[in-house]
Parts: sequence; C-alpha cells; structure tokens
Amino acid sequence: KNQVEQSPQSLIILEGKNCTLQCNYTVSPFSNLRWYKQDTGRGPVSLTIMTFSENTKSNGRYTATLDADTKQSSLHITASQLSDSASYICVVSERGSYIPTFGRGTSLIVHP
Amino acid sequence: EADIYQTPRYLVIGTGKKITLECSQTMGHDKMYWYQQDPGMELHLIHYSYGVNSTEKGDLSSESTVSRIRTEHFPLTLESARPSHTSQYLCASSERSKGGIEAFFGQGTRLTVV
Repeated sequence: KNQVEQSPQSLIILEGKNCTLQCNYTVSPFSNLRWYKQDTGRGPVSLTIMTFSENTKSNGRYTATLDADTKQSSLHITASQLSDSASYICVVSERGSYIPTFGRGTSLIVHP
Repeated sequence: EADIYQTPRYLVIGTGKKITLECSQTMGHDKMYWYQQDPGMELHLIHYSYGVNSTEKGDLSSESTVSRIRTEHFPLTLESARPSHTSQYLCASSERSKGGIEAFFGQGTRLTVV
C-alpha cells in the first residue's frame, strides 16, 4: 500500500529561524511529489512540485529537495515569518494514477 | 488563487437532516475530488470523478453520495446527517500540468452535526 510519512508531526520555531520538514514515501511507480501549505480552516495550496529527475526546487523562501533513490523529500523554510504558521503536507502521485497519496502533514508554528 | 468554490463555508445542522455541500470550479478540469479532514489529521478521499457522469468511492467509507451532471459542478449530499459526520470537507479539481497532476482545493466546508 502506498504510504507517505512526514516528520516531525509538529514544530515550533522563533520568527527568523530556519527549519526543515521531512517526507518519506513508498509510492511506486513514482510520478511526482508536491508540498502543499494549508492554513487553518483553508484548503491546501501547492508550494512546489518535484519530478523524478529533479533534486532541488525553490519557491521564494521555500526549498524542496528530492532523493528518488531513498524515496525522501525535505522542505526547507528560510528566515521564517509568522505567516508561515500552517500545516505542510507532502503529497506523492503514482505514475498513471489521478489519486495522489497524502501525508498527515507537519504543523508548523512560528512564534514572534 | 484557484477558481474552485465551496459553499457553505460553515454549517451547523441537526441530526437526521439532509444536506448538500456545493463545489464548483471554472477551470474546466475533468477530475474532481471530495476529501474529509478532521482537525490535525490527514485528508481522506471519499469520492472522486473523472468527468461527467463518472463517480467513484474513495478509500474512506462514507455515507454521502455525489453527482457529476456538469463538468464544473460536483455536489456532495448527506441524506441523514449524524454527529459522526462532523468534519471539514474539502473539494478539489485537478489538471495534468508539466511534471504531473496538480490539485486545486476549495476553501472547505466545516460541518457540525448536533
């Protein structure tokens, strides 16, 4: 069964600090991996997408990495802001399927 | 901001009532989905559709039903609401973009059954 595991489950950091969120998956055959940001009470919004051939992709202060061999991805947030407080969800798609597998998310709280 | 809309945003209803959660998208996407999400938990797929007149049940057993008569519209109906249906319901649609499937989510409907 396809699975996506995220760690840590929750994280509290001070404003201005960096942090890294982890995602391990067993989805196969792999198509792509997305990181979504979900603000409380809202729907998820896509941050980045990684395909098999991509190792690193940046979107502003967000940088995602992918190691397709070890089936691991990370999302690094630089110089965190209060508005970064949200749940970050790793979503992995299987090749040929329109039904992605969602992780449970990492809840990030940024304190002033 | 994605062009996918859910109404109502919040709903409190009594047990046994019939309700319909609305979802519309103006992006012309064929694929649409309904997810259920409890606070702090992952999204669970309850229904999906590959196009008009196509509906399928997802991984999570649900007492709800859906219909897809028009491409842009994918309503979810609960015939008889129960307190166990209290949750957030998220609607999404997807397209095949460069690199794979991208899902666009609505704002969600937070349902409370009392």
